[in-house]
Amino acid sequence: DVRLLESGGGLVQPGGSLRLSCAASGFMFSNHGINWVRQAPGKGLEWVSVIGGNGGRLEYADSVKGRFTISRDNLRNTVYLRMNSLRAEDTAVYYCAKRVGDMSGPFDSWGQGVLVTVSS
Amino acid sequence: DIQMTQSPSTLSASVGDTVTITCRASQNINSWLAWYQHKAGKGPRLLISKASNLEGGVPSRFSGSGSGTEFTLIITNLQPDDSASYHCQQYDTYGWTFGQGTKVEVK
Repeated sequence: DVRLLESGGGLVQPGGSLRLSCAASGFMFSNHGINWVRQAPGKGLEWVSVIGGNGGRLEYADSVKGRFTISRDNLRNTVYLRMNSLRAEDTAVYYCAKRVGDMSGPFDSWGQGVLVTVSS
Repeated sequence: DIQMTQSPSTLSASVGDTVTITCRASQNINSWLAWYQHKAGKGPRLLISKASNLEGGVPSRFSGSGSGTEFTLIITNLQPDDSASYHCQQYDTYGWTFGQGTKVEVK
């Protein structure tokens, strides 16, 4: 079975940093793009970032560009999201989601999410 | 970015009813549209891809249609387990934007 497990969330002050991890199993990890998607309280889903299977292509939403960095370790089957200069509006549940293809297709498997709270 | 507009934002229906959720794209996305079911405390579940292709294991009560800019998710014979939020998503171009979601309550 495909499994995605997020970790690394928590409470952080504005301006602070966090690193989220997404550990994957049950599929050929390097063949698939992995996304981060977030849901702020009372809001809809917002795509945040994607990394291609070999790590060569990265994309970011305008709302996080320059502050967040996505990376992956294909030996550890793990994707990371480094979040710097955090703002209150980054407060959300963050999900990692596997793409059907490398950089195309819908998101066919999701983790259960991890909560990030940015507050003083 | 392509904007996705979903309606209604909430709906309440009875067991056995048929419900319809609409999703409009701000520009042509051909059939590159997905529908997800999202329950509290879990990750979203892909129900439908390419506007009308039902994913494996998804009950046939769910169906999708549309192309271009107008799309519809229909749930027939509504069941208590269908209580969830439903989100459309365009995966045609960068931004891979979602609609704001529709919360379905089953009475």
